[in-house]
Amino acid sequence: DQQVKQNSPSLSVQEGRISILNCDYTNSMFDYFLWYKKYPAEGPTFLISISSIKDKNEDGRFTVFLNKSAKHLSLHIVPSQPGDSAVYFCAASAMSSARQLTFGSGTQLTVLP
Amino acid sequence: GAVVSQHPSWVICKSGTSVKIECRSLDFQATTMFWYRQFPKQSLMLMATSNEGSKATYEQGVEKDKFLINHASLTLSTLTVTSAHPEDSSFYICSASTGTAAYEQYFGPGTRLTVT
Repeated sequence: DQQVKQNSPSLSVQEGRISILNCDYTNSMFDYFLWYKKYPAEGPTFLISISSIKDKNEDGRFTVFLNKSAKHLSLHIVPSQPGDSAVYFCAASAMSSARQLTFGSGTQLTVLP
Repeated sequence: GAVVSQHPSWVICKSGTSVKIECRSLDFQATTMFWYRQFPKQSLMLMATSNEGSKATYEQGVEKDKFLINHASLTLSTLTVTSAHPEDSSFYICSASTGTAAYEQYFGPGTRLTVT
C-alpha cells in the first residue's frame, strides 16, 4: 500500500513556464513533507520542505503548497530552467519517526529549451 | 559539506555469492544511516535504519539474515547481500543523518547491483 503517491511519472514543460509536480499521501500521521531532486547516477538531494503547521513554503524559484484536508502537496518551480530537468521525489515523515522517510515513486521533469 | 559516498557504484555478481556495499559520510559523523532499495520507476523503499554501535532496525518484510548491516563507526555503514539471487538485483541507496530532523539526511549516489 503506497502511502505517498506521485501519479504523474513524467512532466514536460517549456523553459520559463511553471512546473507543477503533485503528490498525495494517505497516512494522516505524516506531518512533515520534503521534496528531493535526483539526477541519474546520483543520490537524491534535498530541495525544500514544509511542516504541517504551514500551507506554503517558498525558497527562490521553488514553492511547496500543502493542503492537509486533501492530503495533497505540490511543488511549483517558476520559472523552469533546463537544469531543473531531473526526477523529483516527494517524501513524508511522521513525528513518531522524524527521520524515517516514506517516498513517492518520483516524477521525471523535462524542461524544454 | 555533508557528502555521502557509496562503493562500489556498480557491481555484477553471480547467484549464490555475497556482495558488500559501503556507505561513508565523508565530512561529518553520522550516528544514524539508512539503507534504501529502489526498483525501476518505483520509490525508494526503506530497508533498515542503522545506528552506530548497535544492531540495525529492519523494516517489515526485509530479511535480516539476507541483508546484513554493520555500522562499525560514525562514518561507515556496510550492507552485505548474502547468497544473492537475481531478484536481489536493484539500486541500493544509503543516507546519513546529521541530526534529528527529517531534512538532515544526505544521500549517497547509490549502488547498482546485478545478480546473474
